[in-house]
Amino acid sequence: SQQGEEDPQALSIQEGENATMNCSYKTSINNLQWYRQNSGRGLVHLILIRSNEREKHSGRLRVTLDTSKKSSSLLITASRAADTASYFCATPPKSGNQFYFGTGTSLTVIP
Amino acid sequence: ETGVTQSPTHLIKTRGQQVTLRCSSQSGHNTVSWYQQALGQGPQFIFQYYREEENGRGNFPPRFSGLQFPNYSSELNVNALELDDSALYLCASSPTGDLYQETQYFGPGTRLLVL
Repeated sequence: SQQGEEDPQALSIQEGENATMNCSYKTSINNLQWYRQNSGRGLVHLILIRSNEREKHSGRLRVTLDTSKKSSSLLITASRAADTASYFCATPPKSGNQFYFGTGTSLTVIP
Repeated sequence: ETGVTQSPTHLIKTRGQQVTLRCSSQSGHNTVSWYQQALGQGPQFIFQYYREEENGRGNFPPRFSGLQFPNYSSELNVNALELDDSALYLCASSPTGDLYQETQYFGPGTRLLVL
């Protein structure tokens, strides 16, 4: 079963706009990670935020984490057509080695 | 490119058959995890191997089994294939057995179709 859920399930925006996707999870975590997947291929790690961090930036990516609400958001600024992909949040739990992925947000950036 | 390779890229089997999928980890990585990703879903954790020992398992039946070799390459074996086993199978390697702080490097996946 999935540990987390992304919201929205699908998002379509114009090139240059910002894209925001959200992730909710269920158990206590040490960190939360965001991955990107192009068209049924392997996943690529984007960014990791630790449980004691509230916000993190990497290039055009901004991630926030609210452990009290068990939620995270990923903001992609100034989107490009090449950002079209599915985005997943992932949470390794505090105990055990099972690594949970959410259900994903499918982002389409229209040129 | 992550340096993680998987073979084959695509595979078609019939129900009841057995299948072996292979993964070659990124150099310097001694942990490999396998995931099943059904169409439109997120990856689901099957199991993890660390230094040739199973180091965690998800909610998959025993007909899903694995091996890790001394060179840290890995196999996923699935016996008695069922239609619902049709999915993209992903392997991911990471430098240690502790997933708490590490990122994982994914291969391109093997797409399995069971007819």
